[in-house]
Amino acid sequence: QKEVEQNSGPLSVPEGAIASLNCTYSDRGSQSFFWYRQYSGKSPELIMFIYSNGDKEDGRFTAQLNKASQYVSLLIRDSQPSDSATYLCAVKTSVIQGAQKLVFGQGTRLTINP
Amino acid sequence: DVKVTQSSRYLVKRTGEKVFLECVQDMDHENMFWYRQDPGLGLRLIYFSYDVKMKEKGDIPEGYSVSREKKERFSLILESASTNQTSMYLCASVTGGSGNTIYFGEGSWLTVV
Repeated sequence: QKEVEQNSGPLSVPEGAIASLNCTYSDRGSQSFFWYRQYSGKSPELIMFIYSNGDKEDGRFTAQLNKASQYVSLLIRDSQPSDSATYLCAVKTSVIQGAQKLVFGQGTRLTINP
Repeated sequence: DVKVTQSSRYLVKRTGEKVFLECVQDMDHENMFWYRQDPGLGLRLIYFSYDVKMKEKGDIPEGYSVSREKKERFSLILESASTNQTSMYLCASVTGGSGNTIYFGEGSWLTVV
């Protein structure tokens, strides 16, 4: 079982609609959860992180965390063509001696259609 | 202001060559990571380090080694490059404890012929 799993897509959403991206993780000791956006040929850029159960909102983006179900999601409201990118879910876990392990899912390719 | 620097952006190496990819961060971070990224596979963790001379294997360490002699520098080594190691390599760093700001380098594109 992969540590972090995402649906690789592609996911196609009409402009103005809500895009929903999902991620599951296997390590119950995981502490922090991240959503990154990556454009082709570029480094990932942080959208938001979440570490408490529930929702966290930032502008058009809402991250949702359910630790009991080991599930993280990202909602993008009023989707724009510029939101077309690959979205990466990442999970940070403390391992031995305080070391931090950061593992990514395979990414979901999102296309917003005008 | 660049915080994580990967000095080699584009490299072409021959099969069997030894390859060094260097990553330097200027934020005094304890944790540093090396990933490779291939289409459809996301970022796969090769090795990570949480202190000088301390290292841990990630998910795909085979064919790679790392070195962390100084806190700011984390090197990825391909002892004998092979064509299946053609990929984009990405370095990242984050502070220890509850720090949640992760910094990425710009990536190193390696082609092995």
